[in-house]
Amino acid sequence: TQLLEQSPQFLSIQEGENLTVYCNSSSVFSSLQWYRQEPGEGPVLLVTVVTGGEVKKLKRLTFQFGDARKDSSLHITAAQPGDTGLYLCAGADSNSGYSTLTFGKGTMLLVSP
Amino acid sequence: DAGITQSPRHKVTETGTPVTLRCHQTENHRYMYWYRQDPGHGLRLIHYSYGVKDTDKGEVSDGYSVSRSKTEDFLLTLESATSSQTSVYFCAISESGPSEMNTEAFFGQGTRLTVV
Repeated sequence: TQLLEQSPQFLSIQEGENLTVYCNSSSVFSSLQWYRQEPGEGPVLLVTVVTGGEVKKLKRLTFQFGDARKDSSLHITAAQPGDTGLYLCAGADSNSGYSTLTFGKGTMLLVSP
Repeated sequence: DAGITQSPRHKVTETGTPVTLRCHQTENHRYMYWYRQDPGHGLRLIHYSYGVKDTDKGEVSDGYSVSRSKTEDFLLTLESATSSQTSVYFCAISESGPSEMNTEAFFGQGTRLTVV
């Protein structure tokens, strides 16, 4: 079973601060996805990264896939209360033969006004 | 929003009773999944389906069974509910398998199941 470790587990910051959350594994993934989940809702896809070293930006969110495709990071600039939620990373392995995603346990982000 | 409907949204049941959760999609996606989400464990795959009558086990399949007789419906059954199955259950769909690049999984709103 491939494991994805996310850190930190919980992050509480003030509006306007910057933050980075991490998703690490000892396994290589063919692609990695980041989802955000709000209370009472299902996760919603933010981005998919495929190429080692790839950087993608989504407004104030910057996603990076590690060169070895074992880790990823999500950086948020000038966080806003609307960014509050559970951030999940999920990895897919095209070589495993399994048509499933492996999810990390998530980072719970709370942004206070 | 992707057309995924989970029913019921909330359920309280007694230990030992059978329970069936339903996931209905209007997207005609081939893949459907059932996950459970628990504090400290994140999202864990229970079962998934890659076509009508084609299903496979996930990480935590013990005590659960599934059926997919139509493309649009994926049923999750707890044959004899136990307190350890108290959880939030999410259905997800995807057009192709996640091992294919850039495949997005769309999630339903979840079913909160309490076994007393």
